[in-house]
Amino acid sequence: DGGITQSPKYLFRKEGQNVTLSCEQNLNHDAMYWYRQDPGQGLRLIYYSQIVNDFQKGDIAEGYSVSREKKESFPLTVTSAQKNPTAFYLCASSIWEPTRHEKLFFGSGTQLSVL
Amino acid sequence: EDQVTQSPEALRLQEGESSSLNCSYTVSGLRGLFWYRQDPGKGPEFLFTLYSAGEEKEKERLKATLTKKESFLHITAPKPEDSATYLCAVQEGTGANNLFFGTGTRLTVIP
Repeated sequence: DGGITQSPKYLFRKEGQNVTLSCEQNLNHDAMYWYRQDPGQGLRLIYYSQIVNDFQKGDIAEGYSVSREKKESFPLTVTSAQKNPTAFYLCASSIWEPTRHEKLFFGSGTQLSVL
Repeated sequence: EDQVTQSPEALRLQEGESSSLNCSYTVSGLRGLFWYRQDPGKGPEFLFTLYSAGEEKEKERLKATLTKKESFLHITAPKPEDSATYLCAVQEGTGANNLFFGTGTRLTVIP
């Protein structure tokens, strides 16, 4: 079955620690995204990538970093500079169409909490 | 000002009691409006895309409609398995940065 796999499901971060969230897709999509979901707020875009070895900042990129070394993989690192990291993190992928947004396929999410 | 507003925040329906969810938007150049369903602790699942006023899409008990200022998700004779949070997103212009999500409507269908 094609889809997006996020791991781990739950993650705990200590003060000063960097943590990495995994996202793998086998849908052969060019575009991948990271969103953050907080209670009472809409999904907010952290980073996105349209092609391997290239990525762009979203609305709330500060304190996060990404890489796109393979088409299938788009890991997100939450650095110690992110002072309020507790949230539900969602990875998504889509066909890349330059003139309009295509539907997003989401993973099952990672809940990150601070110890 | 929020680009996307969903109402109500929460809705409780008896099984079989039809109703509608609203998504109003203020973006000037709508390129597409998306509806997603999200179950607790899961990622959103795509339902519909609407591109122009007057367009309608249907899937089982769900029907999405679009005007120049809002979209409705009509739920006909809902069942308990329709309980979920329904998210609306609108695209203004091109580019991944121009997709704005609403906060969702949490629907509970009581048997």
